[in-house]
Amino acid sequence: DAGITQSPRHKVTETGTPVTLRCHQTENHRYMYWYRQDPGHGLRLIHYSYGVKDTDKGEVSDGYSVSRSKTEDFLLTLESATSSQTSVYFCAIRVASNEQYFGPGTRLTVT
Amino acid sequence: LAKTTQPISMDSYEGQEVNITCSHNNIATNDYITWYQQFPSQGPRFIIQGYKTKVTNEVASLFIPADRKSSTLSLPRVSLSDTAVYYCLVGPSGSARQLTFGSGTQLTVLP
Repeated sequence: DAGITQSPRHKVTETGTPVTLRCHQTENHRYMYWYRQDPGHGLRLIHYSYGVKDTDKGEVSDGYSVSRSKTEDFLLTLESATSSQTSVYFCAIRVASNEQYFGPGTRLTVT
Repeated sequence: LAKTTQPISMDSYEGQEVNITCSHNNIATNDYITWYQQFPSQGPRFIIQGYKTKVTNEVASLFIPADRKSSTLSLPRVSLSDTAVYYCLVGPSGSARQLTFGSGTQLTVLP
């Protein structure tokens, strides 16, 4: 199994505060992704990375930024959290063509 | 982007074969069809991928007719542990932005 961890696993924060979620992989895969999942919806792509310092926007990127300074780490930052960003966030790595391996998820609540 | 349509939910009984059909009328020539499974509170898990005809692995079979406008995921002899949401995705190989998770099909396996 691909090694992928997310931290924190749960977080409660207040509106307007910055939040950073971390995704860490142990297998040197080039492509990494951040998704959010909300009740009644499938997963929606926020941002993705195709290498160190190479990132691009997904379909719901507003209000989020990402950074990838090392192959193994992909950070998602909410500069000023809003209640609409309450969600479950999943990180994924691409292990083969169209095959992504997902992390355990981070449940974020913005009050 | 190829839009996919799946049933919202399906029920089955243990031991039965389950077939979940996905419609993708505007699939492009270079698109692949990929299925994922998601259990509650977990990230999606890759099940199977195909381009045409039939693909089989240890978990499922994927049937794709010649016109490729639909596909059917077949789960043989389901058990209670197969209760999950199943997503059909259509997109070209290797492109993050063109893999879209819809709402999926909630499969409930009954005893």
